[in-house]
Formats: sequence, C-alpha cells, structure tokens
Amino acid sequence: DADVTQTPRNRITKTGKRIMLECSQTKGHDRMYWYRQDPGLGLRLIYYSFDVKDINKGEISDGYSVSRQAQAKFSLSLESAIPNQTALYFCATSRLADPNTGELFFGEGSRLTVL
Amino acid sequence: EDQVTQSPEALRLQEGESSSLNCSYTVSGLRGLFWYRQDPGKGPEFLFTLYSAGEEKEKERLKATLTKKESFLHITAPKPEDSATYLCAVQAYLSGWGGSEKLVFGKGTKLTVNP
Repeated sequence: DADVTQTPRNRITKTGKRIMLECSQTKGHDRMYWYRQDPGLGLRLIYYSFDVKDINKGEISDGYSVSRQAQAKFSLSLESAIPNQTALYFCATSRLADPNTGELFFGEGSRLTVL
Repeated sequence: EDQVTQSPEALRLQEGESSSLNCSYTVSGLRGLFWYRQDPGKGPEFLFTLYSAGEEKEKERLKATLTKKESFLHITAPKPEDSATYLCAVQAYLSGWGGSEKLVFGKGTKLTVNP
C-alpha cells in the first residue's frame, strides 16, 4: 500500500459544485501539504499544515479550504469549483529536519476536471 | 522574487547517450536545492539535496552538481527507464527558518530515452 494515499484519483465535476479531495498517510509525519500542478506552471503550494491545530495558506489558497482531521488525514475542499481549478492535485508529507532536506513524499495525485 | 528556470523543457536521448539537465536559480541566498523525478501519472519522487556550491551527489546513473547560480543533473549512459520529468526546487535563505513549505519549484525537464 502507498504511504500517501489520495482519493479520488480522478474526478469530473461541474462548475459550482463542492468537491473534496482526501489524503491519508502512514508515514507518521506531522507536516502535510497540498500542491497543484498545471502544465507549464510547475508545482504550486495551496495549503500546508504542521500539525492538527496548525493550518497555513500557501501561494495560491484563494478558492480552496483545508481540514486536518487527524495527524494522518488532510483534506482539500473546493467550495464552488470553477474551470480554472482543473488541474492535477498532489498531497505530500515531510518530517521536520534542520537543515531542511527538501524531501517531500508525494501521493499519486488527484486529477480534477471542472466543466 | 525567487525564480527557478529549468532547461531544456524536453530532451530526447538515445540509450547510452550521456547528457545534462540545467536548473538555474535566482534567490536571495540559497538554503538548499533539491532534485525530484516524476513519472507520468505519479507524484514526484525525491532524488537529491544540495546545500552549497561545489557539492555533488550521485545515485546510479545520475549525478547532481551545484554552483552559485545553477545546478546540473548529469545522466551517464541513460536507459529507457530513466525517462521521466525531472524537477528542480530551491529554498531561499531569506525565507527564514522553515521546511519544505518554502520550496519554489521549476517547471521541469521532460527526458525521453529511446532504446
């Protein structure tokens, strides 16, 4: 089984619908992240969380919200989906290290299409 | 603004034909530079961390090097299984003490190795 599991893997929805992408991990890491990947734009950070009580906005948080239900679970919601949120979404985890190793553990991605 | 530029965007090699991928960066002091590999339909997989100019890391046919302005990922005698998109990311010193939430990713180089 994958260490970082994302569901659903693929989702097609309509404009205005609420969508939730879920992520669970078995790595025991405290830090979890949601990224978005678009062709030609690279990976961009949406939200991140250092523990259950700590949620932070990333580079592109507008239109998204998150919930950290437990150490192992981090969900991303699109309250009212719009077509330009069509993208590949990745959940990732990391451990605390100093200096930072830059080592993120990614899930396999959730491909979202908003019509 | 911290920037990461990867070149070329795409590279086709014959099996056994060695080459290099480039990652040039503009940051206000480099805290770390990181290389990832991403296979189609998968999340990125961590390869290397480089912290200072002159540092080198190796893994099988891959060797990453770092100067004050750029990093190279050298691929020696590549095989078809090396085909993937290679991502570079940086963390700036002035981003403050922090972890992987500070990473800025490049757009990647898509490598294809033909048998």
